[in-house]
Amino acid sequence: AQSVTQLGSHVSVSEGALVLLRCNYSSSVPPYLFWYVQYPNQGLQLLLKYTTGATLVKGINGFEAEFKKSETSFHLTKPSAHMSDAAEYFCAVGSGNTPLVFGKGTRLSVIA
Amino acid sequence: DAGVTQSPTHLIKTRGQQVTLRCSPKSGHDTVSWYQQALGQGPQFIFQYYEEEERQRGNFPDRFSGHQFPNYSSELNVNALLLGDSALYLCASSRPGSSYNEQFFGPGTRLTVL
Repeated sequence: AQSVTQLGSHVSVSEGALVLLRCNYSSSVPPYLFWYVQYPNQGLQLLLKYTTGATLVKGINGFEAEFKKSETSFHLTKPSAHMSDAAEYFCAVGSGNTPLVFGKGTRLSVIA
Repeated sequence: DAGVTQSPTHLIKTRGQQVTLRCSPKSGHDTVSWYQQALGQGPQFIFQYYEEEERQRGNFPDRFSGHQFPNYSSELNVNALLLGDSALYLCASSRPGSSYNEQFFGPGTRLTVL
């Protein structure tokens, strides 16, 4: 079985500050890991994913995440927050041919 | 190139009624998955359709059923609606061979059950 825990249902940062959204996973098989963003009244957009290979993954809009097997973590970061980053962020785990299991989400607020 | 489209955008039903939601996958995609996203929660997998058959299913009762057509579009049917079925229903499509690794999500259908 696979599961995801997102630490912090709501994170608030100042514009220009570092964004750090935390995700820990549990998986009995090598995991595929994903971060999705959801803007109000919209579907999910893939930010980045880790399947195999390099553990530091770069995504769209300046986001990146690092897969740390020893810590079972896949935290999402962005060096400098922009107002347009305000949204709901979801971490998900899968294994290629199994359905994605999503966390409960973290709402990111960016303060001017 | 149109992405994943879903209809209707919003829907209001009463308990006990039946509802049908529709999804057209992104061009070139042949696999469709459906997710339920309750308020304040992450999406939960309902089922996936490939080659007009249900390939995998999540932990949802038989009241939830689906169909995939030869043109790869799909329907989600929910019978005997309960208040707890109120949610955003998301459709995701993927290209041949990518299954869950490259899913593109539609904007969703917001279902309210009164």
